[in-house]
Amino acid sequence: EAQVTQNPRYLITVTGKKLTVTCSQNMNHEYMSWYRQDPGLGLRQIYYSMNVEVTDKGDVPEGYKVSRKEKRNFPLILESPSPNQTSLYFCASSLAGVIGELFFGEGSRLTVL
Amino acid sequence: AQSVTQPDIHITVSEGASLELRCNYSYGATPYLFWYVQSPGQGLQLLLKYFSGDTLVQGIKGFEAEFKRSQSSFNLRKPSVHWSDAAEYVCAVGARGNDYKLSFGAGTTVTVRA
Repeated sequence: EAQVTQNPRYLITVTGKKLTVTCSQNMNHEYMSWYRQDPGLGLRQIYYSMNVEVTDKGDVPEGYKVSRKEKRNFPLILESPSPNQTSLYFCASSLAGVIGELFFGEGSRLTVL
Repeated sequence: AQSVTQPDIHITVSEGASLELRCNYSYGATPYLFWYVQSPGQGLQLLLKYFSGDTLVQGIKGFEAEFKRSQSSFNLRKPSVHWSDAAEYVCAVGARGNDYKLSFGAGTTVTVRA
């Protein structure tokens, strides 16, 4: 089954404790992206990757890191989480050149105390 | 830069009634336009898209949307709503020449009453 898998789905952590949210897709998609969703703000892009070893900042990259060492994986790293990073995070992927047809993971709800 | 507004935060509709969700965009040229649906605990799923051509586009689950350039709108419609249509609906706009950059609306939550 074609899917984007995120882990963990739910996480409560404390300020400053490094964490990683994993994202994996099994569709051989070149493009992958991370978004955060906050009430009233809609989805905002954090980072994206056009292919292996190619990443770029989105609209709200501060406090986040990513890497793309393999085509299928695109982990989101919070080196020192803060309460303002409490949010619902989505990973998405698509084929290169297929505009807007994003496949989304089920989301990871992160709470930073 | 493009932007999108969904004026309605929440809509309640009776099962079997028609549904229309509003989406207004801001962009200097003809944009790419999308509607996604987000069911509780799920990621977003693409309902339909508009790139060019016929301004009335058909999507999955019986939804359609109409692009109106004069009104900068891309409203989503369904003639008869089913209880399973209760979800959040998100409009998105993309800019030509920046193919992977989408701007998302804040979403409209649809409640379906029996």
